[in-house]
Amino acid sequence: LAKTTQPISMDSYEGQEVNITCSHNNIATNDYITWYQQFPSQGPRFIIQGYKTKVTNEVASLFIPADRKSSTLSLPRVSLSDTAVYYCLVGDQAGNNRKLIWGLGTSLAVNP
Amino acid sequence: GAVVSQHPSRVICKSGTSVKIECRSLDFQATTMFWYRQFPKQSLMLMATSNEGSKATYEQGVEKDKFLINHASLTLSTLTVTSAHPEDSSFYICSLQGETQYFGPGTRLLVL
Repeated sequence: LAKTTQPISMDSYEGQEVNITCSHNNIATNDYITWYQQFPSQGPRFIIQGYKTKVTNEVASLFIPADRKSSTLSLPRVSLSDTAVYYCLVGDQAGNNRKLIWGLGTSLAVNP
Repeated sequence: GAVVSQHPSRVICKSGTSVKIECRSLDFQATTMFWYRQFPKQSLMLMATSNEGSKATYEQGVEKDKFLINHASLTLSTLTVTSAHPEDSSFYICSLQGETQYFGPGTRLLVL
């Protein structure tokens, strides 16, 4: 089972770019990397998913080096509403949910 | 993405009573749904995998007779916490697997 390691917490200010790095040394060949956002007392919300190189959508970018042993979620120009916990998970895209291990995530605090 | 609802959003019950939590997929037919539990300041813990028309698969350490799961249709899975105790107080979240995992808003259970 692929385990991930993320910083427990990060602080930032409005308008800054935030990069959260996740280590997943035991990632398997068929594993994808997925990031979720969770606000207090809400279910997680999908942010972005990737397999290699770079993926970008309307809310974030995901950078994955060639060895895939880590990944970096980049949030451009954060606002106060981006204060949340961000989880990095690796697993089979086909949805073998039993392979997903949820760590403690990274608690991001965006300050005014 | 898929829209998932949960009902109720929060519930308070007396110790020893049973509580049913519904998880509905509003726009996606889900043969598989998942149930998670999240204690304060902790990560999501997978409790069980709910399979439409068959028995649920429980994770190690989760009592199947205490946490009854019924997945009667492609859009509804229910979790019943039987003989609830204060230690069952938690945040219960369901999800379904589409292109990625789509999570419900969660149900806050407080057992007095």
